[in-house]
Amino acid sequence: EPEVTQTPSHQVTQMGQEVILRCVPISNHLYFYWYRQILGQKVEFLVSFYNNEISEKSEIFDDQFSVERPDGSNFTLKIRSTKLEDSAMYFCASSEATTGSGLFFGSGTQLSVL
Amino acid sequence: KQEVTQIPAALSVPEGENLVLNCSFTDSAIYNLQWFRQDPGKGLTSLLLIQSSQREQTSGRLNASLDKSSGRSTLYIAASQPGDSATYLCAVDDYKLSFGAGTTVTVRA
Repeated sequence: EPEVTQTPSHQVTQMGQEVILRCVPISNHLYFYWYRQILGQKVEFLVSFYNNEISEKSEIFDDQFSVERPDGSNFTLKIRSTKLEDSAMYFCASSEATTGSGLFFGSGTQLSVL
Repeated sequence: KQEVTQIPAALSVPEGENLVLNCSFTDSAIYNLQWFRQDPGKGLTSLLLIQSSQREQTSGRLNASLDKSSGRSTLYIAASQPGDSATYLCAVDDYKLSFGAGTTVTVRA
């Protein structure tokens, strides 16, 4: 069964460092997303991406964040200068359509900022 | 802003009992609703997707209902097993998913 793949599963970084989280969405999906879950809190929307541009972003997704689809298979989330409060589980998701087809999530990257 | 609430926050039942998990949302203008399962420290596994035009959806022992006008969905899990122990998340799609905080289920053998 096709699945969304995320790497690495765990990432530890120092405050102020740049991190790139990587995702390989399901191959025939056209819509890509990043969500995050801070420990003990709800899963929160960060950004949606379609046709090589951001469709929608939340207020969390400020200038420190960026997304990119560098080739036909990868989808990345970059945090330019990490803060302690960026520590969270980051989930990538993809879907066939913008609505109606449901989202499929990866297993997440646990980011720890020290 | 869409608010999603799940009740109860936690549930512990003996094996074999049926589970009833509730989800409510404040804005009924949704495209669909998805139920997910999350194991500790793991990703989100999609269980059921209910379109806004549907009243219910079934998969094996799982059945989910949707009453869009009242802003409610219920997930039923029949004949629970210890392997059903997990956190169950409800998410409504109004162009992005808004999640509830989840119901953590423990099924005792």
